[in-house]
Amino acid sequence: QVQLQESGPRLVKPSETLSLTCTVSGGSISTYYWSWIRQPPGKGLEWTGDIYNGVSNYHPSLKSRITISVDTSKNQFSLKLSSVTAADTAVYYCARGSHCSNAVCYSGIFDSWGQGILVTVSS
Amino acid sequence: DIVMTQSPDSLAVSLGERATINCKSSQSVTTSSNNRNYLSWYQHKPGQPPKLLIYWASTRESGVPDRFSGSGSGTDFTLTISSLQAEDVAVYYCQQYYSTPRTFGQGTKLEIK
Repeated sequence: QVQLQESGPRLVKPSETLSLTCTVSGGSISTYYWSWIRQPPGKGLEWTGDIYNGVSNYHPSLKSRITISVDTSKNQFSLKLSSVTAADTAVYYCARGSHCSNAVCYSGIFDSWGQGILVTVSS
Repeated sequence: DIVMTQSPDSLAVSLGERATINCKSSQSVTTSSNNRNYLSWYQHKPGQPPKLLIYWASTRESGVPDRFSGSGSGTDFTLTISSLQAEDVAVYYCQQYYSTPRTFGQGTKLEIK
């Protein structure tokens, strides 16, 4: 059973860079898609992007500010979001973004999630 | 982007009764090549991460009780809870994985009447 855990600063100042890491245990980070999904207070879920085999795909609204990378040696993947504003305040979840059955995998199905970390953007 | 719209926004159902949540996509999320529906449902309880309930519109994730079922194709989908239990109180989201960006519905809050 794969487990994911987010870590990073919970308070970020406006205009600075939000940096989070997701540590994956109980399975290899290779082969699967890995995603970041956020939920602003009182709002719904928003997919921010994912990474697979070192190739990243981002939400168009964030494309100029977001970077998702992976460190296979540590079984971790990371999110960096630059020039943050109060609108980036949210619970950030890392999630496994592909589901495999009978050796066939499909991306975009989020079958394992971290507990989430609330990141507040404030001075 | 594919816009996902759920109805209703909130729902109150008596214990043991049926709960039905609808989800409509702004364009079809069904592929003609393999007739698959790229639609999943999640259950989200306070203080917990979302939990995958159903994918391919109607396939239950392992361990999900069979009172949860999904149906639909094209642009119209439904999540049904056949007999509501107290532990089913949550917000439910549909999500499409037909294209990127992946998008979620706004959520439906399910409560006990």
